Amino acid sequence: GAVVSQHPSRVICKSGTSVKIECRSLDFQATTMFWYRQFPKQSLMLMATSNEGSKATYEQGVEKDKFLINHASLTLSTLTVTSAHPEDSSFYICSARDTGRGQETQYFGPGTRLLVL
Amino acid sequence: KNQVEQSPQSLIILEGKNCTLQCNYTVSPFSNLRWYKQDTGRGPVSLTIMTFSENTKSNGRYTATLDADTKQSSLHITASQLSDSASYICVVSDGGATNKLIFGTGTLLAVQP
Repeated sequence: GAVVSQHPSRVICKSGTSVKIECRSLDFQATTMFWYRQFPKQSLMLMATSNEGSKATYEQGVEKDKFLINHASLTLSTLTVTSAHPEDSSFYICSARDTGRGQETQYFGPGTRLLVL
Repeated sequence: KNQVEQSPQSLIILEGKNCTLQCNYTVSPFSNLRWYKQDTGRGPVSLTIMTFSENTKSNGRYTATLDADTKQSSLHITASQLSDSASYICVVSDGGATNKLIFGTGTLLAVQP
């Protein structure tokens, strides 16, 4: 089946530093990828929609200058948390839509646990 | 407002028993309804996906039902196993231009030996 990978799986960083998280579709092309954030005991919250070759679309309340998204190829999207603070500590999950199989086909990555000290 | 509500919030059952999880939604327009299993510290894995015209779909020991008239869905787990312990999330797609997914808050299932 389709696989989406994320790297790193977990990261600990100091407050004020930037962290980059990669999301890759391993065996399919993904024109559209999504970035979610999940706090403990809560459901996934969509942060932004990443479109290959164009600017990402951010959800209301998500700072685009803080959460930089780059979707430079059909298999890779990156999320950079700039000047991270402890409140950014969360579980970040990406998903990728299989371009060749329609809008309903969306696969999730395993997630990245970010801890900001 | 588009919402997806799940019940119960959490559930404990003994290994081998069956259970049913509920999902009510107010999403409109409606495209499809999905059930995902999310293990702790992992990303969600798709179990079933149903469109408006489908009222039941099975995936092994998982059977999902959909009543589009009452906007309700259920996920039935048969002969539960310890590995079924996870959060089960009901997700509805709004069928808009971007096929936005609206997530329920999940039901945390614990299967005990």
